[in-house]
Amino acid sequence: RKEVEQDPGPFNVPEGATVAFNCTYSNSASQSFFWYRQDCRKEPKLLMSVYSSGNEDGRFTAQLNRASQYISLLIRDSKLSDSATYLCAVIINQAGTALIFGKGTTLSVSS
Amino acid sequence: NAGVTQTPKFRVLKTGQSMTLLCAQDMNHEYMYWYRQDPGMGLRLIHYSVGEGTTAKGEVPDGYNVSRLKKQNFLLGLESAAPSQTSVYFCASRTVNYGYTFGSGTRLTVV
Repeated sequence: RKEVEQDPGPFNVPEGATVAFNCTYSNSASQSFFWYRQDCRKEPKLLMSVYSSGNEDGRFTAQLNRASQYISLLIRDSKLSDSATYLCAVIINQAGTALIFGKGTTLSVSS
Repeated sequence: NAGVTQTPKFRVLKTGQSMTLLCAQDMNHEYMYWYRQDPGMGLRLIHYSVGEGTTAKGEVPDGYNVSRLKKQNFLLGLESAAPSQTSVYFCASRTVNYGYTFGSGTRLTVV
């Protein structure tokens, strides 16, 4: 079983829609959690860190459920500029605390 | 402050040729990582380094070697390139509080 698994994409939504991405991780020792955004095979850019208490940044909300080993990202009022691939990533206390990524979910927002 | 610089940005190799990818960071980060990304895949960890003079294998190390002779540089070597190594390679470094910085990537094609 892969360390980090994400919803298969692509997600095709109209502008203004709300879209949710899910991610599960297999290693209960995972200690930190992130959502990254990647455009056109460019380098990943940090979107949000994810905390057990949940966190919000404008239209983006991230949630962590440690009991279910589950991470989510909610995007409200989607914009054309949100079109990208969203990568879930975790850090476990091994492999030099490298980021372990999911395969990513592609979002396409259309007008 | 250039961050993380990868060279070259693009390269085409013939099967069996060798090459070295350079990752240089000017942020005095201890930890450095090499990832590869293939279509439809997230980033997969090849090798990593937790400090000058140390390296270790990640998830997909076969066919690659690395060196970290200087703290600021992390080299990824392909001794005998194979078409399966056609990929986009990303280098990253991080601070002690898990702030990761990625390079812009090297697009390698092996024909």
